[in-house]
Amino acid sequence: QVQLVQSGAEVKKPGASVKVSCKASGYTFTSHSISWVRQAPGQGLEWMGWINAYNGNTNYAQKLQGRVTMTTDTSTSTAYMELRSLRSDDTAVYYCARQLAPDYWGQGTLVTVSS
Amino acid sequence: EIVLTQSPGTLSLSPGERATLSCRASQSVGSNFLAWYQQKPGQAPRLLIYGASSRATGIPDRLSGSGSGTDFTLTISRLEPEDFAVYYCQQYGSSPYTFGQGTKLEI
Repeated sequence: QVQLVQSGAEVKKPGASVKVSCKASGYTFTSHSISWVRQAPGQGLEWMGWINAYNGNTNYAQKLQGRVTMTTDTSTSTAYMELRSLRSDDTAVYYCARQLAPDYWGQGTLVTVSS
Repeated sequence: EIVLTQSPGTLSLSPGERATLSCRASQSVGSNFLAWYQQKPGQAPRLLIYGASSRATGIPDRLSGSGSGTDFTLTISRLEPEDFAVYYCQQYGSSPYTFGQGTKLEI
């Protein structure tokens, strides 16, 4: 069965970076894009971008351009999302998900940014 | 950027009733690439509908999606207790792939 398993919760100080991993199983990793979506506490869903797992092409949300990098390691079927220069309003649950209209989601990774 | 506006913000209904949720786009959604998700507290979203009207795997036929262009609807014909949750629409026809703000369906 398709599974996306994300890395554990992180606590970071403002200005630091975080890198969240997302290990896929149960399907051919390079056949589907990986999307990243975040959700601040008590708020709605925010699309962050996606990466084509076959060729590494990316598409990022304009507001995150320059701070976010999405990558994949096809040898381990793992996707990564790195966010730099963290601010308090980056505190959120970060989800990876398969495809552009995501049909399978990871369990979410809580990233807390606090001094 | 396409802005999606969902209405109502909160919908209060009883099991067995019919629910109609609306998602209006600020401009036409390319190829009707519009999806609906259900989210329960503490859980990841669950895909319900893609391509405006195609049900995702395992979604019962009492849920249906319709619409095109700028106006889309999710209909739940007979509410079951497990349907009470927050629902989001998302367009993936043009970047950025924006979400609506959500509709809370409460008992």
